[in-house]
Amino acid sequence: EPEVTQTPSHQVTQMGQEVILRCVPISNHLYFYWYRQILGQKVEFLVSFYNNEISEKSEIFDDQFSVERPDGSNFTLKIRSTKLEDSAMYFCASSRSLIGLNEKLFFGSGTQLSVL
Amino acid sequence: KQEVTQIPAALSVPEGENLVLNCSFTDSAIYNLQWFRQDPGKGLTSLLLIQSSQREQTSGRLNASLDKSSGRSTLYIAASQPGDSATYLCAVMDTGNQFYFGTGTSLTVIP
Repeated sequence: EPEVTQTPSHQVTQMGQEVILRCVPISNHLYFYWYRQILGQKVEFLVSFYNNEISEKSEIFDDQFSVERPDGSNFTLKIRSTKLEDSAMYFCASSRSLIGLNEKLFFGSGTQLSVL
Repeated sequence: KQEVTQIPAALSVPEGENLVLNCSFTDSAIYNLQWFRQDPGKGLTSLLLIQSSQREQTSGRLNASLDKSSGRSTLYIAASQPGDSATYLCAVMDTGNQFYFGTGTSLTVIP
């Protein structure tokens, strides 16, 4: 069964450093998302991406964050200058079409980001 | 803003029991509701999706119901097995193309 792949599974970085989290969505999916889960808290929406541009973003997704689809398969989340509070599990997800049209959302296994 | 609550936070049952997990949401204007399973260190697996016009969905031993007007959904698991042990998350989608998640119910099925 096709799946969303995320790399790396764990990333440790120093505060202030830039990190790039990588995702390969399911190949025929058109909508891509990043969510995060801080330990012990709810899964939170960060951003959705379609047709090479951001379609929605939450208030968490400030100027320190950016997303890119550099080629036909990868989808990346960049954090420019990491803070301690960015430590979380980051999930990439994809769907064939708008989830408002009752499409299921498929998640990757996540990247655990630890900022020291 | 949509708030999603799940009760109980944790549940432990002996193998073979039927059980119900609860989810409530504050804004009834939703497009759909999805139940996910989360295993430790792993991603979220979609279990069932209920459209706003539907009352329930079934998949194998799982049955999810939706009462939009009262802002509630339940996930019924029949004949529980140790392999069902995981955290179950409820997520609702309202006007935007994003889900609002609950805090989850951690289920342990004891052999």
